[in-house]
Amino acid sequence: IVLTQSPATLSLSPGEKATLSCWASQSVGNNLAWYQQRPGQAPRLLIYDVSSRAAGIPARFSASGSGTDFTLTISSLEPEDFAVYYCQQRSNWHTFGQGTNLEIK
Amino acid sequence: QLQLQESGPGLMKPSETLSLTCTVSADSFSSGSYYWGWVRQTPGRRLEWIATIYFSGTTYYNPSLKSRVTMSVDTVRNQFSLRLTSVTAADTAVYYCARQGRSRGSVSYFDSWGRGTLVTVSS
Repeated sequence: IVLTQSPATLSLSPGEKATLSCWASQSVGNNLAWYQQRPGQAPRLLIYDVSSRAAGIPARFSASGSGTDFTLTISSLEPEDFAVYYCQQRSNWHTFGQGTNLEIK
Repeated sequence: QLQLQESGPGLMKPSETLSLTCTVSADSFSSGSYYWGWVRQTPGRRLEWIATIYFSGTTYYNPSLKSRVTMSVDTVRNQFSLRLTSVTAADTAVYYCARQGRSRGSVSYFDSWGRGTLVTVSS
């Protein structure tokens, strides 16, 4: 299953709302997660099963979708949110999207 | 606090066999509640799942790498390992070990990660 993320780069300012998209080449049901990767760090699980926040993840992170179309929303960007975000499916083995680079405008 | 630590060779030559070990500092290693996996990240930032193992030794391999990959587990030492044969420059990447949850009887997401170890393949 191929995951395609859009946009490749998103330039926003702190306090703004971010909307990131992930499309699957075939249905993954609700078997989708989102990860955040800051420079020099390993990815960190943010969201699992489409919309459940992982332990310790702030409420400004939310996600939705089903089947093939998924969205990650960050309601009001904090400085530490500028990072690369990946979606990942576990419906058919495990594959990752190519990432969205969320950068400071 | 769960910690995962990768160890590996750093620099390799083409055609050699890569051996990586992940040491897990957690009593939950053999509890049966988790799986343990390897993910690599290429210089272009692409993430690729390589393989996953259960404490019992049951393994799952990425079909695109299956012919070259072997995972094993040592429950006494709280370690799991990866072997990748016949490496080429395309195998140059940061290799992460990670814990995977167990959900509805199947392998779940990567919920804890090691810091990663860079493996460079060059002649």
